Amino acid sequence: DAGVIQSPRHEVTEMGQEVTLRCKPISGHDYLFWYRQTMMRGLELLIYFNNNVPIDDSGMPEDRFSAKMPNASFSTLKIQPSEPRDSAVYFCASSHDLAGAHNEQFFGPGTRLTVL
Amino acid sequence: GNSVTQMEGPVTLSEEAFLTINCTYTATGYPSLFWYVQYPGEGLQLLLKATKADDKGSNKGFEATYRKETTSFHLEKGSVQVSDSAVYFCALSASGGYNKLIFGAGTRLAVHP
Repeated sequence: DAGVIQSPRHEVTEMGQEVTLRCKPISGHDYLFWYRQTMMRGLELLIYFNNNVPIDDSGMPEDRFSAKMPNASFSTLKIQPSEPRDSAVYFCASSHDLAGAHNEQFFGPGTRLTVL
Repeated sequence: GNSVTQMEGPVTLSEEAFLTINCTYTATGYPSLFWYVQYPGEGLQLLLKATKADDKGSNKGFEATYRKETTSFHLEKGSVQVSDSAVYFCALSASGGYNKLIFGAGTRLAVHP
């Protein structure tokens, strides 16, 4: 399996522009998570989906952030408009629910976003 | 609510030294406990896990024992290598938590030759 795939790996944009981050989870996984990592705030859970349905978006910082999962193999995280404080590494992770067991999350390599 | 507290870093060690990174948790019910490792420029990857009290997780020479009486899951390694330099995250998955993980702040380990 190729693992969790994220694109782009690096994104540099100017303040006010729209940014779209993409994620392809591991085939067969039914949970998908979006995280943000910064030096100041550490690793933050933004939103997660189960079977393509958003379960908890309480970590989304503000209305400029939105996430979708139109099918089991694709998700996007969009920032519109972007601001310099959005600069961070964004990770996508996926996992599979096995009969109530607590299962590991598999992380993608991340997208490093820089907003100038 | 559920939370994870781990020792602040950075932890700086010489090669072949003994490593301990402390982790304590607060949770209702019977959580599962995890250690993840993040190497420079990469995403997090699972290092080891334990799903019930007194379980010991182990991998790549690292060990951690699920201690319910002290609500702890300390990470240990008997002899660290330069290649172990990374950030280590302790995490828990609460009962009925939809596979959601609660992460600690992470501890950076630097191992010098």
